Amino acid sequence: QKEVEQNSGPLSVPEGAIASLNCTYSDRVSQSFFWYRQYSGKSPELIMSIYSNGDKEDGRFTAQLNKASQYVSLLIRDSQPSDSATYLCAVWTGANNLFFGTGTRLTVIP
Amino acid sequence: DGGITQSPKYLFRKEGQNVTLSCEQNLNHDAMYWYRQDPGQGLRLIYYSQIVNDFQKGDIAEGYSVSREKKESFPLTVTSAQKNPTAFYLCASTPHANYGYTFGSGTRLTVV
Repeated sequence: QKEVEQNSGPLSVPEGAIASLNCTYSDRVSQSFFWYRQYSGKSPELIMSIYSNGDKEDGRFTAQLNKASQYVSLLIRDSQPSDSATYLCAVWTGANNLFFGTGTRLTVIP
Repeated sequence: DGGITQSPKYLFRKEGQNVTLSCEQNLNHDAMYWYRQDPGQGLRLIYYSQIVNDFQKGDIAEGYSVSREKKESFPLTVTSAQKNPTAFYLCASTPHANYGYTFGSGTRLTVV
């Protein structure tokens, strides 16, 4: 079983809609959770971090964490074509490194 | 401006050659990492270092070597023993993994 799992997509949403990206993890002691955005041919960029259960909002982005169910999600409101990218979920379990999912490719259709 | 710099952006390697990828950071981060990214396979950890003069193997260390002689620098050598080195290589750093990583811009290595 992989440490971090994401639906690889592609996920397509129309411009202005809400995009919902999901991530599940296997290690119950996981403590910190991150969402990275990666444009094609570029390096990942940290867009959200969340450490406790509940929602965390930053502009059009909302991260949701449910430790009991072992999932973390990212909602993108009012999706724009510039949001088209691969979104990587990463988890810190207390080890020396993060564990990454394989990413979900999002396409926002104008 | 603080950041993490990888060079070169593109690198071509002939069969049997060793090549070295540079990674430099001025963020004063203790930990540095090297990842390899292939299409559809996500990020795979090659090596990481928590402090100067110490480093650990990741999941796919065979065919690679690293050094950490300075806090700011963590170069990766792709040796001729690495049979399929064509990939996108990412360097990252952090004061502690709990805070997430800052990534460099990456080096795209191609075997010719």
